[in-house]
Amino acid sequence: QQQVKQSPQSLIVQKGGISIINCAYENTAFDYFPWYQQFPGKGPALLIAIRPDVSEKKEGRFTISFNKSAKQFSLHIMDSQPGDSATYFCAASETDSWGKFQFGAGTQVVVTP
Amino acid sequence: DTGVSQDPRHKITKRGQNVTFRCDPISEHNRLYWYRQTLGQGPEFLTYFQNEAQLEKSRLLSDRFSAERPKGSFSTLEIQRTEQGDSAMYLCASSYRGYMNTEAFFGQGTRLTVV
Repeated sequence: QQQVKQSPQSLIVQKGGISIINCAYENTAFDYFPWYQQFPGKGPALLIAIRPDVSEKKEGRFTISFNKSAKQFSLHIMDSQPGDSATYFCAASETDSWGKFQFGAGTQVVVTP
Repeated sequence: DTGVSQDPRHKITKRGQNVTFRCDPISEHNRLYWYRQTLGQGPEFLTYFQNEAQLEKSRLLSDRFSAERPKGSFSTLEIQRTEQGDSAMYLCASSYRGYMNTEAFFGQGTRLTVV
């Protein structure tokens, strides 16, 4: 049973556009929500993370929006660049089992020139 | 390089053979995790250690799988009597859990192909 559902499966965006990826979770005990970026042949790398006490977090061109009541969170990539072409995974974990993540299925983002 | 190191990067084995993978975490990290990732899917949690103690094992980890972390440093993941369904990328990650938690850093993985 997938505890974190991610959509869309893939996304094509033009350079300079906005990429939006959505995730939903069921387990209300989750209290840490990271996004990971993965390039082919590499391990996932942390991009940005949020805790449920805030509704939004921004780091550079990347923003997480968090809706605790709806149990949803999303990643916005502003001014998308070809170098952003990668697979993005949302994840969730509980502080007590730090690092034990439930990952979404991933979104393959392609940024066209 | 002070990141998480995994060895080998690629392994091709015949069905029924045993394989062992190694993970060297970031030196000051006390937690070490193993994940499995199949093509087009997100990583799935297998097991994790705090120092040398194995704290949790996923139901995905059948009796053919065993993981160890002697002395709380490097870890090994062994798969006995490999099956074609074991073909996947095996990822290791490490973090520090304590008075201040660090993010989990992933290694580049070991890609296993069972033929």
